[in-house]
Amino acid sequence: EVQLLESGGGLVQPGGSLRLSCAASGFTFSSYAMSWVRQAPGKGLEWVSAISGSGGSTYYADSVKGRFTISRDNSKNTLYLQMNSLRAEDTAVYYCAKDFANCSGGSCHYYFDYWGQGTLVTVSS
Amino acid sequence: SYVLTQPPSVSVAPGQTARITCGGNNIGSKSVHWYQQKPGQAPVLVVYDDSDRPSGIPERFSGSNSGNTATLTISRVEAGDEADYYCQVWDSSSDHPYVFGTGTKVTVL
Repeated sequence: EVQLLESGGGLVQPGGSLRLSCAASGFTFSSYAMSWVRQAPGKGLEWVSAISGSGGSTYYADSVKGRFTISRDNSKNTLYLQMNSLRAEDTAVYYCAKDFANCSGGSCHYYFDYWGQGTLVTVSS
Repeated sequence: SYVLTQPPSVSVAPGQTARITCGGNNIGSKSVHWYQQKPGQAPVLVVYDDSDRPSGIPERFSGSNSGNTATLTISRVEAGDEADYYCQVWDSSSDHPYVFGTGTKVTVL
């Protein structure tokens, strides 16, 4: 059974930092890309960042580029999101999600087949 | 960047059919995926690749995609189907390729 368990959320002041973790189990972690998706209170889903299975490729939404860093430790089956220079608009529930790649004809597209329960990040003074 | 537009809300009586649209430029050329999110819970994949269902998802959930509109159809709606629904595509031409729709709140009357 696939399980994704986020931790590390909490209250932080504007300009502060926080590191989120996502412990994965039930699948071969290193074989899959992983993502972080967030949801501000009362708002829709927003993709934040993704990382390839090896960790060699990373991708970011424009809203977090230069402030957030995604990484993974495949020996620990854990995904991370280092968040720096936090702003009020970063307040959200942060979900980690397992990516699934559907590839054919030399091209791939991705969706999220499993999600964690989320961890709340509140940026406020 | 690629934009997906959904109606903010859809209301349906129990036992009837709910149709949730997801509009995007030539979306029929992309694969569309749908997620259900109940209050206070994480999203759950209910349809992938336009019309396939993950194991455990009832056959009442189906999808289609053509032209500029993808549609999630929920047949024989139950009270437990009340939730927010989001479409999603992969935009390979973008640096931030994961695109979500604006979301639709389905209310069971």
